[in-house]
Amino acid sequence: GAVVSQHPSRVICKSGTSVKIECRSLDFQATTMFWYRQFPKKSLMLMATSNEGSKATYEQGVEKDKFLINHASLTLSTLTVTSAHPEDSSFYICSATTGTGDNQPQHFGDGTRLSIL
Amino acid sequence: DAKTTQPPSMDCAEGRAANLPCNHSTISGNEYVYWYRQIHSQGPQYIIHGLKNNETNEMASLIITEDRKSSTLILPHATLRDTAVYYCIVRGFGNEKLTFGTGTRLTIIP
Repeated sequence: GAVVSQHPSRVICKSGTSVKIECRSLDFQATTMFWYRQFPKKSLMLMATSNEGSKATYEQGVEKDKFLINHASLTLSTLTVTSAHPEDSSFYICSATTGTGDNQPQHFGDGTRLSIL
Repeated sequence: DAKTTQPPSMDCAEGRAANLPCNHSTISGNEYVYWYRQIHSQGPQYIIHGLKNNETNEMASLIITEDRKSSTLILPHATLRDTAVYYCIVRGFGNEKLTFGTGTRLTIIP
């Protein structure tokens, strides 16, 4: 149980395009989803927290107009990297939790490797 | 959330028990200890978590000291597929966020 699917797993696109990444909880309802970014040989950095039906909460230093997050249903959150540039190239990972109770673990997708040419 | 300290790397022979330590000396009474691992180029995988009692599941055991200032994750019979970066994270009461440190890179040696 507790499977999180992330799509696409890898994307390569030209500078200036926008890229959408989907995160789905397959067998549970995720009241809260999280988006992380990871640079090579570095740890995960939380970008934002999204709750179903409300605006995402961004971490300090993360541009909300650059990284658009939508959490329209209890099983789907999307991250759109707008007008992507080479410095946006990274490994993006989502996670989801039921959020019920304070000891519910986050379950992670397998990540999306984004390369901007 | 309390900060954690882990050794940067460890080796373990295949088939032996892998014992990964974590120090969280500033942990407060209502903070849980979580363990995740990340295999290369994949998302983190949840392993186990606990508050103050020792915990065991199909993947691992978590031993938390009585004063809760440190813990040990035990993989009882390590296999090559257990090679990964292991993260020990303390999560505060009412806080859904996870703050990842640098973790321990565990290498299982044939």
